[in-house]
Amino acid sequence: GAGVSQSPSNKVTEKGKDVELRCDPISGHTALYWYRQSLGQGLEFLIYFQGNSAPDKSGLPSDRFSAERTGGSVSTLTIQRTQQEDSAVYLCASSLGQGVGSPLHFGNGTRLTVT
Amino acid sequence: AQRVTQPEKLLSVFKGAPVELKCNYSYSGSPELFWYVQYSRQRLQLLLRHISRESIKGFTADLNKGETSFHLKKPFAQEEDSAMYYCALRSGGSNYKLTFGKGTLLTVNP
Repeated sequence: GAGVSQSPSNKVTEKGKDVELRCDPISGHTALYWYRQSLGQGLEFLIYFQGNSAPDKSGLPSDRFSAERTGGSVSTLTIQRTQQEDSAVYLCASSLGQGVGSPLHFGNGTRLTVT
Repeated sequence: AQRVTQPEKLLSVFKGAPVELKCNYSYSGSPELFWYVQYSRQRLQLLLRHISRESIKGFTADLNKGETSFHLKKPFAQEEDSAMYYCALRSGGSNYKLTFGKGTLLTVNP
């Protein structure tokens, strides 16, 4: 009965290093989203997975960002060669499906700090 | 393109006073509108959605298509309402993507 779980909760990395952020959605939820929350910028859509369909990657800010979802469950967001502007809280959310009646359930996020 | 505007970054009221958090949207079709709330050190969670026409924790929001607004209101604010509030839009039907506003930080003073 747990909610969306994200790990790590905090990550400090040096500029230029790669990082991986993990998301465990609620069991049975077919839709999974990644958002980025920056101070003063609100929530910025990054990527969306729905079942076996091709993901919507339209929100990824650069080719340094990628994400995958294995077995329709756990998702990993990877940022290569991190930059200071990547510092933000990365939020994962899942929902039962799409459209009406499918609110998003968010995790606690991963706070990424690039030094 | 769809867009959500929350004109107030910060809003401060006294306990017991009415509060209104403004949200305007830009979308040509029939959208779904939501309010999400994030209390201090808690995860972002759904507060209410326009299709349910519900009142949650004393908050209501009416979709005004003529003014393209979905303002969040509460007649008597409480200190525990202090939080970050985000308005969000989904373009309806089978569309999945939520577009969020930049949020309004509400502080209710004693």
